[in-house]
Amino acid sequence: DAKTTQPTSMDCAEGRAANLPCNHSTISGNEYVYWYRQIHSQGPQYIIHGLKNNETNEMASLIITEDRKSSTLILPHATLRDTAVYYCIVRVVHSGYSTLTFGKGTMLLVSP
Amino acid sequence: NAGVTQTPKFQVLKTGQSMTLQCAQDMNHEYMSWYRQDPGMGLRLIHYSVGAGITDQGEVPNGYNVSRSTTEDFPLRLLSAAPSQTSVYFCASKLTGSDTQYFGPGTRLTVL
Repeated sequence: DAKTTQPTSMDCAEGRAANLPCNHSTISGNEYVYWYRQIHSQGPQYIIHGLKNNETNEMASLIITEDRKSSTLILPHATLRDTAVYYCIVRVVHSGYSTLTFGKGTMLLVSP
Repeated sequence: NAGVTQTPKFQVLKTGQSMTLQCAQDMNHEYMSWYRQDPGMGLRLIHYSVGAGITDQGEVPNGYNVSRSTTEDFPLRLLSAAPSQTSVYFCASKLTGSDTQYFGPGTRLTVL
């Protein structure tokens, strides 16, 4: 199973872009990169996922390097409500079915 | 849709007591799972189910039992609670073949 490395915490000013990095140097060719976030006292929330190409949805953009050893989650205009722990996860297969292994994530603090 | 619901939100038990954490989803998801979250540990998978009548162990199954008699419900049973089981418990569900998990709001359990 590929492991991920994320910074423990990051700060961002409200209205600015938040760029959250993730290293996954042992990722295999058929493993996806997923991003979830967890706002305090709530359950995790799916944000975005990708395999090779960059992806964008209404919440964020995901940039994956060409060698797939790292990725960056971009929140283009961070708001106070984006303050949360962000998890970068590499999809694993468990007994024939997919599951998610959550690490410790990055605590993003968005300030006024 | 109510999504994934969990009851109770908070529970205090004495060592040796038993209880059942309830989880229900109304999205007709085949896959359901239970995680526990401890400070500094991220989320760890306890048990999961890929459909009614089918369950399997995750990373930390000891001390917990599950059953899946219906698609909608996936209760987690603690037969003899221990202080080490003090944690926040999250239930999640998803469609088989999809990798987007939907999480419940969590149950905060304290075992004295």
